[in-house]
Amino acid sequence: SQKIEQNSEALNIQEGKTATLTCNYTNYSPAYLQWYRQDPGRGPVFLLLIRENEKEKRKERLKVTFDTTLKQSLFHITASQPADSATYLCALGPDTGTASKLTFGTGTRLQVTL
Amino acid sequence: EPEVTQTPSHQVTQMGQEVILRCVPISNHLYFYWYRQILGQKVEFLVSFYNNEISEKSEIFDDQFSVERPDGSNFTLKIRSTKLEDSAMYFCASSMETQYFGPGTRLLVL
Repeated sequence: SQKIEQNSEALNIQEGKTATLTCNYTNYSPAYLQWYRQDPGRGPVFLLLIRENEKEKRKERLKVTFDTTLKQSLFHITASQPADSATYLCALGPDTGTASKLTFGTGTRLQVTL
Repeated sequence: EPEVTQTPSHQVTQMGQEVILRCVPISNHLYFYWYRQILGQKVEFLVSFYNNEISEKSEIFDDQFSVERPDGSNFTLKIRSTKLEDSAMYFCASSMETQYFGPGTRLLVL
């Protein structure tokens, strides 16, 4: 069955450092992968989408890589700030341009300290 | 910036009662979704909706659940006879491609 794994342990890093979060998947060939941010009691907020034919995508301090051979995506936040503290969700979609469901990982909680 | 909105933000109900959760998707989006998240667990897909019909539904979305787009703006999720295990956050999402989520309705079934 399909499986998406994110580090279940919280990631604690110091302000200014780069945070790297991992998303691994098995038994799945997604057409694209998305990263969302979720704050406690709130809905997921879209951050970045990367397609299967893309290796890397950047947006401001965020960078996502997508390795379909390793079945892994890495999500980087550079120059991290306390405001970046949240849970980050990896979500995989089978198709673009259609009403396709997203399959979410459990999320990794990031804590950025001063 | 356009947003998905949901009402109510919180709903408390007795087991066996019907609840209707409401969503206003982003206006030019064509695809609509409901997801749920049980406390401490991952976000789970319930149903997708396009062109006034269900496109896909999960095993969770049984006969107790239904969705409707009663007019040009609202998208609703109805649970006919709530169970204790229906207690969760329910998120509506809409998309043209990227799915944008609403703030959620926290449903508590007593």
